[in-house]
Amino acid sequence: KAGVTQTPRYLIKTRGQQVTLSCSPISGHRSVSWYQQTPGQGLQFLFEYFSETQRNKGNFPGRFSGRQFSNSRSEMNVSTLELGDSALYLCASSSRTSGSNQETQYFGPGTRLLVL
Amino acid sequence: QKEVEQNSGPLSVPEGAIASLNCTYSDRGSQSFFWYRQYSGKSPELIMFIYSNGDKEDGRFTAQLNKASQYVSLLIRDSQPSDSATYLCAVNTGFQKLVFGTGTRLLVSP
Repeated sequence: KAGVTQTPRYLIKTRGQQVTLSCSPISGHRSVSWYQQTPGQGLQFLFEYFSETQRNKGNFPGRFSGRQFSNSRSEMNVSTLELGDSALYLCASSSRTSGSNQETQYFGPGTRLLVL
Repeated sequence: QKEVEQNSGPLSVPEGAIASLNCTYSDRGSQSFFWYRQYSGKSPELIMFIYSNGDKEDGRFTAQLNKASQYVSLLIRDSQPSDSATYLCAVNTGFQKLVFGTGTRLLVSP
């Protein structure tokens, strides 16, 4: 089964621009979560989508937004980019593990964003 | 107090030894706990999950959970140089929100 895919893998933008990142979950997975990873703050939760609805949101400004499509693919958008938005953006998709009520998250390779 | 705390390391162990990685969490209501391994420049890779008190073994890896002490650990037996990576402890706080520790860097020397 193919893993989580993210595009693009690398991106360079300038301050003030906006960016859209894409994530395709593992086939059959309906939950997609987004995280930001920086050396200073580590891995931080951005938001989670399930069946096209945002169910949970982290503590990020409104410049960070996302959406999910009917095929479970997800996009996240960052508007008015700031230097501090330079990070690895990770997408993770979830499935229910057999025999339990817990859901494990599997990460994609990430999109490395550099804001100049 | 951070929600999930880990010693940043590095934790250095010789090849063949047992590596012990520890994690504490603050939310007593947390239900599920995960260990991820992250190689430099790569994305996190799931190693194990645990949600019941006690031990859970998978190959060379054993996860231990003590909810009363709010403590999760990961033991790696017969450590190999290829195990050298950063190990991230994560707690699911609801609706797929994982809260991560800052990670412990493990170095296994040949």
